[in-house]
Amino acid sequence: DQQVKQNSPSLSVQEGRISILNCDYTNSMFDYFLWYKKYPAEGPTFLISISSIKDKNEDGRFTVFLNKSAKHLSLHIVPSQPGDSAVYFCAASDGNKLVFGAGTILRVKS
Amino acid sequence: EPEVTQTPSHQVTQMGQEVILRCVPISNHLYFYWYRQILGQKVEFLVSFYNNEISEKSEIFDDQFSVERPDGSNFTLKIRSTKLEDSAMYFCASRTRELNTEAFFGQGTRLTVV
Repeated sequence: DQQVKQNSPSLSVQEGRISILNCDYTNSMFDYFLWYKKYPAEGPTFLISISSIKDKNEDGRFTVFLNKSAKHLSLHIVPSQPGDSAVYFCAASDGNKLVFGAGTILRVKS
Repeated sequence: EPEVTQTPSHQVTQMGQEVILRCVPISNHLYFYWYRQILGQKVEFLVSFYNNEISEKSEIFDDQFSVERPDGSNFTLKIRSTKLEDSAMYFCASRTRELNTEAFFGQGTRLTVV
């Protein structure tokens, strides 16, 4: 039961360019969406979030877009830096728990 | 900056043995969670805990698992009789009572069942 899907297992971009990570969800009850960044052998670190009443939230180089009708969200990182290389997890909240996607490995090449 | 701390960082145990994974959530947080990540797979929800009781649990969280908040600061996950397939990273998380806030995760405990 994949309520949150990240269909791209990996993404490779050049330093300075834009990284776009995508996420789809199926449960209409989700009302809050988050992106976490994770390095090996560490816990997920919160990056940015968006409420279902908004369609965009921006924090520095990171912007999250939400398209409720399409049940789709995306994370834009611009400009991408080598230090952004990590696994990025999309997560959705049902008011209690977070449901995670499978993650996308981002590699930023210098 | 406040953080969620987990101990031990790595636990190796024999199949059939009991293990207790420990967590100290952020002090003013009221919601507590355990998640696990089997190597190469997604982060999976196990259980949520609020007001001294389980508020929700997943299918994974069967009778072999239990949680406890014994002293108002620690939050523990016990696996009564470990199986090989319990080998995973276990993450504790906590958040405040406000809706629509992020959960903060600990560094994880790597459990290896041999």
